[in-house]
Amino acid sequence: QQQVKQSPQSLIVQKGGISIINCAYENTAFDYFPWYQQFPGKGPALLIAIRPDVSEKKEGRFTISFNKSAKQFSLHIMDSQPGDSATYFCAATGGSNYKLTFGKGTLLTVNP
Amino acid sequence: SAVISQKPSRDICQRGTSLTIQCQVDSQVTMMFWYRQQPGQSLTLIATANQGSEATYESGFVIDKFPISRPNLTFSTLTVSNMSPEDSSIYLCSHTRAGGELFFGEGSRLTVL
Repeated sequence: QQQVKQSPQSLIVQKGGISIINCAYENTAFDYFPWYQQFPGKGPALLIAIRPDVSEKKEGRFTISFNKSAKQFSLHIMDSQPGDSATYFCAATGGSNYKLTFGKGTLLTVNP
Repeated sequence: SAVISQKPSRDICQRGTSLTIQCQVDSQVTMMFWYRQQPGQSLTLIATANQGSEATYESGFVIDKFPISRPNLTFSTLTVSNMSPEDSSIYLCSHTRAGGELFFGEGSRLTVL
């Protein structure tokens, strides 16, 4: 069964700190790994995504690190801000069907 | 990405009734999907809405419970039939671009009493 395991379930970080969320997958056919950010009462918004041909992708304060051999990828939020407080979901898909399998989510709280 | 609008944004329904959720995209898109997000949970794919043909349902979801229409490349509906409190969820419409990026609407928050 296709699964994406996400940890931690919740995370509290001080303003200015680094938030790190980890995900692991099982299906070696997965070839696209996005992260979504969801604020309460809103739909998930695509934050950043990576494909396995690179080991890292950075967009502003957000970085994805990807380890193909370990089948793991992680989201790093540098200089975390209270406005980053949200639920973050990792996901994965493979092939041409574009059907995403989501992790269970991480509730991030950034304290001022 | 194309802008996705869902209606209703929220509703409170009685057990045993049905509700149809509409999803409108402001430009033609190839693939549209319906996801469910139960309270405090992750997202689960219900089905792929195929233009002009029957939807493709994921394991655990059936057409009789969640009939889906997609009459054209910009519009789809999801009906939640014979609702029970267990159907209380956020139902999310989404579409994808050729690169595989998936974009979501704001969701329809359904409470079944």
